[in-house]
Amino acid sequence: AQSVTQPDIHITVSEGASLELRCNYSYGATPYLFWYVQSPGQGLQLLLKYFSGDTLVQGIKGFEAEFKRSQSSFNLRKPSVHWSDAAEYFCAVVPSSNTGKLIFGQGTTLQVKP
Amino acid sequence: DTAVSQTPKYLVTQMGNDKSIKCEQNLGHDTMYWYKQDSKKFLKIMFSYNNKELIINETVPNRFSPKSPDKAHLNLHINSLELGDSAVYFCASSQATGGNYGYTFGSGTRLTVV
Repeated sequence: AQSVTQPDIHITVSEGASLELRCNYSYGATPYLFWYVQSPGQGLQLLLKYFSGDTLVQGIKGFEAEFKRSQSSFNLRKPSVHWSDAAEYFCAVVPSSNTGKLIFGQGTTLQVKP
Repeated sequence: DTAVSQTPKYLVTQMGNDKSIKCEQNLGHDTMYWYKQDSKKFLKIMFSYNNKELIINETVPNRFSPKSPDKAHLNLHINSLELGDSAVYFCASSQATGGNYGYTFGSGTRLTVV
């Protein structure tokens, strides 16, 4: 079945440590790919997106993501996590044959230890 | 100015009541969406309108009825509210359908049915 999977439901990292959040998708063609962040009680903020071109995408707040076609993955990374990064992170895709329906993964909760 | 604004932010109501959530965007976008975030934080699309025309209608109970008086507004009316309708409802907009324009989300409406 077509889907977006975030294998890690909950991740805890120490402040200053590096971070990688995983995202895999199962669609035939390369979809449009997004990462969103949701702080507690807040809406969704776009971190970055990939449509085509360079497979390493830079986003806001020091985040980057790498698209790997062979692995159907779009993992989010940050070299040094700050306490304010604690939030819910969502990977999302728009399948290329779609009417613009944005399909979300289950989300990963990031906890940052001091 | 808030790009995508939803009202109210919080809504507490009794089972069986009818309620509406309003959404307005000032971005000049043609397409608007309603998403539901359940208690496990899973986000699922409910409806999408492009220039006042319904283009996505997911498997949603008939008690939910979207209305788009113009392309800047997309309201959600819910009849005969049930406990299971308790969730956070997000409105979003994009420049057009197709997914390659990105999406802007409102801050959400937390609906609690008691």
